[in-house]
Amino acid sequence: AQKITQTQPGMFVQEKEAVTLDCTYDTSDQSYGLFWYKQPSSGEMIFLIYQGSYDEQNATEGRYSLNFQKARKSANLVISASQLGDSAMYFCAMRDDPNFGNEKLTFGTGTRLTIIP
Amino acid sequence: EPEVTQTPSHQVTQMGQEVILRCVPISNHLYFYWYRQILGQKVEFLVSFYNNEISEKSEIFDDQFSVERPDGSNFTLKIRSTKLEDSAMYFCASSVRTGLRSPLHFGNGTRLTVT
Repeated sequence: AQKITQTQPGMFVQEKEAVTLDCTYDTSDQSYGLFWYKQPSSGEMIFLIYQGSYDEQNATEGRYSLNFQKARKSANLVISASQLGDSAMYFCAMRDDPNFGNEKLTFGTGTRLTIIP
Repeated sequence: EPEVTQTPSHQVTQMGQEVILRCVPISNHLYFYWYRQILGQKVEFLVSFYNNEISEKSEIFDDQFSVERPDGSNFTLKIRSTKLEDSAMYFCASSVRTGLRSPLHFGNGTRLTVT
C-alpha cells in the first residue's frame, strides 16, 4: 500500500491565488513527521515545511502552511498568494518508525504546480 | 547558508562501467543518505549511513551499489557495473541529527545517464 498519496499530478493556478496541494498518508505509528519539498525545474530538492504528529498547531513558514488533519491522515500544503516562482514539483514525504537507524523519508509521487500570470 | 554539494552535476557512462558519485554533506551533519529519482517518477530511498556504516538500505541497493565516507567530508555512492535502468537523478542528503523532526537537506543532484 502507498504510504504517501498525492492525488493531483498537476495543477494550474492563477498568480496571487492561494493553492492547496493534497497529501494523505498511511502509518500505524503514533510518532511520525511529515515534510514538504519543492523541486524546481533545475532539479534541486528544497525543504519547505515540517509537521510532527504530536504538534497541536498547524505548521507555518512564511507563505507556506500545512493543513494537518490527523484523524483523516492528511497533511495538505497551502501556499498563499502564489507567485510565478512557485511553479515547481512539490513532494510530500513522511518519516515514521522512530527506531534508531530507520530514518528514511518516504516520498509521494508529487504534484506539478504551474502558476499562470 | 551551508548546503550539500554534489559532483558532477551530470555524468554520462557506458553500460557496464563503474561510476562514483560524490557528495559533501553539511559539515556538522551526522546522517547521510542517497536517493534516486528516475525521470518523471517518485524519489526513492537507496541507503542511509551513520557512524561509518549503513543503517538502512532499500531493495534497490543491491550488491552493485556501495557507499563510503573515505574522509571527514566526502560521502560517495559507487555503482560497480552500471545498467541502463540506473539512469536517474541521484540525490545526496544529510541531516544533523536523528529523530522525526530533522529534515533532510538535499544536494542539487547528479544526473546519471547510462548509454
